[in-house]
Amino acid sequence: DGGITQSPKYLFRKEGQNVTLSCEQNLNHDAMYWYRQDPGQGLRLIYYSQIVNDFQKGDIAEGYSVSREKKESFPLTVTSAQKNPTAFYLCASTPTSRNNEQFFGPGTRLTVL
Amino acid sequence: DQQVKQNSPSLSVQEGRISILNCDYTNSMFDYFLWYKKYPAEGPTFLISISSIKDKNEDGRFTVFLNKSAKHLSLHIVPSQPGDSAVYFCAARALNNAGNMLTFGGGTRLMVKP
Repeated sequence: DGGITQSPKYLFRKEGQNVTLSCEQNLNHDAMYWYRQDPGQGLRLIYYSQIVNDFQKGDIAEGYSVSREKKESFPLTVTSAQKNPTAFYLCASTPTSRNNEQFFGPGTRLTVL
Repeated sequence: DQQVKQNSPSLSVQEGRISILNCDYTNSMFDYFLWYKKYPAEGPTFLISISSIKDKNEDGRFTVFLNKSAKHLSLHIVPSQPGDSAVYFCAARALNNAGNMLTFGGGTRLMVKP
């Protein structure tokens, strides 16, 4: 059955290390997004991609990087340049036709030790 | 500058009563609004949406009202159930945005007491 998967569910990283969060969808959606949620706060957009091989910075892109080599996959790398990487990371996808909701994955909790 | 605001961080309601969650926005280019529900450590799930050409949309126990002149929308849950306890996010899409790019509010935590 179709959906969005994120792995792993929980991730621990030592300070100064890069880490890559996986996001895969089999919904045939063109657009994919990465958000970050901090305790008591809403969702803030990190990066988004409307089409393969193209992506754009969101509101808080500093310290993050992405790639979109395949329609199904939109991995997010949290680099050592990100000052406060501990957060809950959510991936979403949507068709580009309008009036469609974004579908979210289950999220990855990243903790920097 | 927050374009979508949910001014109540939390709301407590008795089971069986009505829950009213509010959302205000500032961007007059928003033309489509959505509500999401989120449980801890899970991704948000879509609840209900409304286009700016309507003022009400109903789906079972959930109704969304839109007041364009006040730039205000609300989600009504009747009757409220303990399983409705979650964080609710309001989101909006601008007419001039590509695809379905959304701007989210900060969320309201709803607690339904048995």
